[in-house]
Amino acid sequence: LAKTTQPISMDSYEGQEVNITCSHNNIATNDYITWYQQFPSQGPRFIIQGYKTKVTNEVASLFIPADRKSSTLSLPRVSLSDTAVYYCLVGVGQAGTALIFGKGTTLSVSS
Amino acid sequence: DSGVTQTPKHLITATGQRVTLRCSPRSGDLSVYWYQQSLDQGLQFLIQYYNGEERAKGNILERFSAQQFPDLHSELNLSSLELGDSALYFCASSVPLGHEQFFGPGTRLTVL
Repeated sequence: LAKTTQPISMDSYEGQEVNITCSHNNIATNDYITWYQQFPSQGPRFIIQGYKTKVTNEVASLFIPADRKSSTLSLPRVSLSDTAVYYCLVGVGQAGTALIFGKGTTLSVSS
Repeated sequence: DSGVTQTPKHLITATGQRVTLRCSPRSGDLSVYWYQQSLDQGLQFLIQYYNGEERAKGNILERFSAQQFPDLHSELNLSSLELGDSALYFCASSVPLGHEQFFGPGTRLTVL
């Protein structure tokens, strides 16, 4: 499984755009990149998934360069409620496989 | 609300005891996963079941076991409990060919 590296923590203010970058140098050809969000004492929640280029949904965008060795989760105009831990996962190319979580990035949003 | 339910929400017990955690997946989901989250280890995959059969094993101790029943609900049994087993236990489910996993609210286990 590809190992991922992401910042341990990030700070932001309400209304700003936040970009969290994840490094995954050993990503395999059939691996997808997936991001989950977790609030304290709650289960992780799926945010977005992509394979290459750019994916956008109602809450975030995911940018993946051509070499796919990194990816960037972009959260537009964050609010206090976006304070959470964000996990970057790689290696779910086969549907129905277990998720391997790293340490994640703790995002703190203040007013 | 993810649609995955877990009971009980909280469980307090003593060392050496045995407990059972229960999970009901989302309607139609055949896969059930169990994860343990402790402060020092983070989120760890324990075991996966698919339509009643064990599919994959992660860092699950021999003192722990699980099963998935014909109605697709799953139970995680933890025995000979130790202080270090205190953690949040999450159950997740997914559709057969889906990448996204839906997590339940978790069961907080405290071993005294």
